[in-house]
Amino acid sequence: EDQVTQSPEALRLQEGESSSLNCSYTVSGLRGLFWYRQDPGKGPEFLFTLYSAGEEKEKERLKATLTKKESFLHITAPKPEDSATYLCAVQAGAQKLVFGQGTRLTINP
Amino acid sequence: DGGITQSPKYLFRKEGQNVTLSCEQNLNHDAMYWYRQDPGQGLRLIYYSQIVNDFQKGDIAEGYSVSREKKESFPLTVTSAQKNPTAFYLCASSDDPSTDTQYFGPGTRLTVL
Repeated sequence: EDQVTQSPEALRLQEGESSSLNCSYTVSGLRGLFWYRQDPGKGPEFLFTLYSAGEEKEKERLKATLTKKESFLHITAPKPEDSATYLCAVQAGAQKLVFGQGTRLTINP
Repeated sequence: DGGITQSPKYLFRKEGQNVTLSCEQNLNHDAMYWYRQDPGQGLRLIYYSQIVNDFQKGDIAEGYSVSREKKESFPLTVTSAQKNPTAFYLCASSDDPSTDTQYFGPGTRLTVL
């Protein structure tokens, strides 16, 4: 069964304190791994898609990396506006995304 | 201004009532999806549709129904058979369902009174 586990469940950082969020997955035939950002009461906002091990993508203070078993979302020198829940999802079979439960990130000023 | 709209933002239902959640997209995407989100859980797929007049059940379809009469619209009906309907409902669409990104609407929060 395809499975996605995100850790930690919650992370509290000081402004400027860099860290990483983890997404471990078990899937037969990965077609893509997706990162989304979700603010409270809103729909997820697309951040990145990664397709193969070794791939990296960057956007402002965020960088996503992918290995054969996990993905990391690195956040460098975060600001309070980076506070959100970050969701990871994998696409294995056609049409279907399997989501992790998310990591709730809080950046204190 | 392209995007996905969902309405209403908040919906209250009495037990035993059916309610319909609206989802419209002007991105010209072929595929559309409905997910349910509960606190502390990942998004779970309810139904999806790759083309007009065709749709498939997802992981938790019991108590829900959909239609896809137009490319831009994919309404979800939560029936009285759904035992625990209180949740945040999210609609998404994608251009190529085999490999492409799904883009989400703003969501509808349904509460059963």
